[in-house]
Amino acid sequence: ELKVEQNPLFLSMQEGKNYTIYCNYSTTSDRLYWYRQDPGKSLESLFVLLSNGAVKQEGRLMASLDTKARLSTLHITAAVHDLSATYFCAVDRNTGNQFYFGTGTSLTVIP
Amino acid sequence: EPEVTQTPSHQVTQMGQEVILRCVPISNHLYFYWYRQILGQKVEFLVSFYNNEISEKSEIFDDQFSVERPDGSNFTLKIRSTKLEDSAMYFCASSGGARYTEKGYTFGSGTRLTVV
Repeated sequence: ELKVEQNPLFLSMQEGKNYTIYCNYSTTSDRLYWYRQDPGKSLESLFVLLSNGAVKQEGRLMASLDTKARLSTLHITAAVHDLSATYFCAVDRNTGNQFYFGTGTSLTVIP
Repeated sequence: EPEVTQTPSHQVTQMGQEVILRCVPISNHLYFYWYRQILGQKVEFLVSFYNNEISEKSEIFDDQFSVERPDGSNFTLKIRSTKLEDSAMYFCASSGGARYTEKGYTFGSGTRLTVV
């Protein structure tokens, strides 16, 4: 069974601090996606990482992918309250086109 | 920016009743998906649809579920006889390609299904 695990599951951090969310997966995949979900809302695409070593940055968020380690990270720099949300990573296998989502990381940024 | 539209946003139904959840994918997209998210849990794949047929489905997608693209714009998910455990947020998604998509799927805003 394909597993996608994130840690931490819950993260409470102060504004201005840095932190990293980790996403480990158990299948061979060269694609990884990060999504943001606000409470009761849909999933917003943040990053698509398409190859080993890919790094993408948008604002205070930076995502990277290590396909050999089957690990992706989402790094938060100088957190602000607006980043409070649940963050999901997702992978698809190299065959097929369904996404396997991680368990999610609920981030709360405290003023 | 193009959107995936889902209706209704919230549906309450009695156990055993049939429900149809509706989605309008992005107009030039070819691949369509349904996912669900039980409250507080992760998002789970149900089914993918391409070229008017199911291309993949999960174990969750049993005989109680069916999908249809009745016309050129709508994509529907039918649950024939709802159970309490079908209560979840159901997300429709679409993409332009099978695997490579620059932004991943585009998800709709979801339909919250409550079975009572």
